[in-house]
This record gives sequence, structure tokens and C-alpha cells, in this order.
Amino acid sequence: GDSVTQMEGPVTLSEEAFLTINCTYTATGYPSLFWYVQYPGEGLQLLLKATKADDKGSNKGFEATYRKETTSFHLEKGSVQVSDSAVYFCALELWLGRLYFGRGTQLTVWP
Amino acid sequence: DVKVTQSSRYLVKRTGEKVFLECVQDMDHENMFWYRQDPGLGLRLIYFSYDVKMKEKGDIPEGYSVSREKKERFSLILESASTNQTSMYLCASSASVLESPGNTIYFGEGSWLTVV
Repeated sequence: GDSVTQMEGPVTLSEEAFLTINCTYTATGYPSLFWYVQYPGEGLQLLLKATKADDKGSNKGFEATYRKETTSFHLEKGSVQVSDSAVYFCALELWLGRLYFGRGTQLTVWP
Repeated sequence: DVKVTQSSRYLVKRTGEKVFLECVQDMDHENMFWYRQDPGLGLRLIYFSYDVKMKEKGDIPEGYSVSREKKERFSLILESASTNQTSMYLCASSASVLESPGNTIYFGEGSWLTVV
């Protein structure tokens, strides 16, 4: 079935370190792909998205490229900040607005 | 800004009680969703709705029902609460995907439900 697998956490980094959170998907069609972020005590917010192969989504220094050949949508940031500490969810949308989520990756950034 | 409002942030209910979680969105969105979020399991879809009075089961509908009498409001009902329904519940909404793919889904802040 359709699913998303993302790198298990927690991930702990020092400020200004490089971040990668891996995400791969299984889908029968041509999904749109998303990264959502959840800050402590809050709901989920859209971080970035890509709707077709080779698209790159970007926001707040984060980037992810939709790779159809490897069915991946890895999240990257060149220099993380303490304020990036949150839970990150990879998700796909196949039809009618329904999202399939990965299990989430907890990121903690230390000063 | 789109706003999805969940009526209660924190609730404590007793086993066997009937529980209502209310969600209202202010962007005239067609689609509305209820998820539960548990540590290590991510978000799992309970029910969703594409229009008033329409509902579809998600991945874990057992023990839940929903109601959508008005476009802006989507209620989650626990007919007889049990301790394994202790969780964080997230409501979400989005515009019709027929308009364009990859529509952003907007989430409420969540309702923490504890069943004792």
C-alpha cells in the first residue's frame, strides 16, 4: 500500500551543523510530497512541498527534492539553529487531499 | 490567515463517557480530517469528509464516529471512551484537490485527551 518511511530519531545536532532527514515513499500513482513541522505544544505546519518529479521545495533554509527514480524526498538544511528544534514529518498526498504521514523525526539542536 | 480551531486543548474524561471534539475552519474548505497522534506512530487518519454530511473512514475508525452538518464544522465523537483512546487529536482542513494538486492542509493546535 501507499506509505512513507522516514529516518528514525531522535536527531541531535550542534548549532550550524548540516541536517539531513531521509524520507522514502511507496505509492501507486504520482503523489505530491510534503514536509510538515511540529513545534512543541503546537499543531503541524507546512514546511515545504513538491508536486512533481524533480521539483525542489524550499522554505526557511530547508530544501527537499522530489526524486522519482529513488522514490525519495530527503529534507536538508545547511546550518541548523536552536529554533529548528521540532518534530518533522514527511507526507505524501495521492488523491482527494488525503495525506499519508511518516512516523516523525525529533530534531534537537544544541547551542 | 487560515485558521483551524479546536474547541478544547486539554480534556480529561472517564472510561465509558461520550466525548465530543469540535473543530471549526474559517476558509470555506471542502475537506476536513481527524487524525490522532501517538509517540512513535506518527499521525493516523481516523475519518475525513469531502463535503457536508459526507464522511469516509480512515485507517483507524473503530471506536469513533464523526458529524459534519455544516461546511465549517467537523466533530469527532467517541461513543464510549476507553483508556486506549488517550491521545493527541488533530483536526485539519484543505481546499478541494480538484482545484489543484498538492493543496496545503492546515492543522489545528490539537486536543490532548486523557481517558481515566
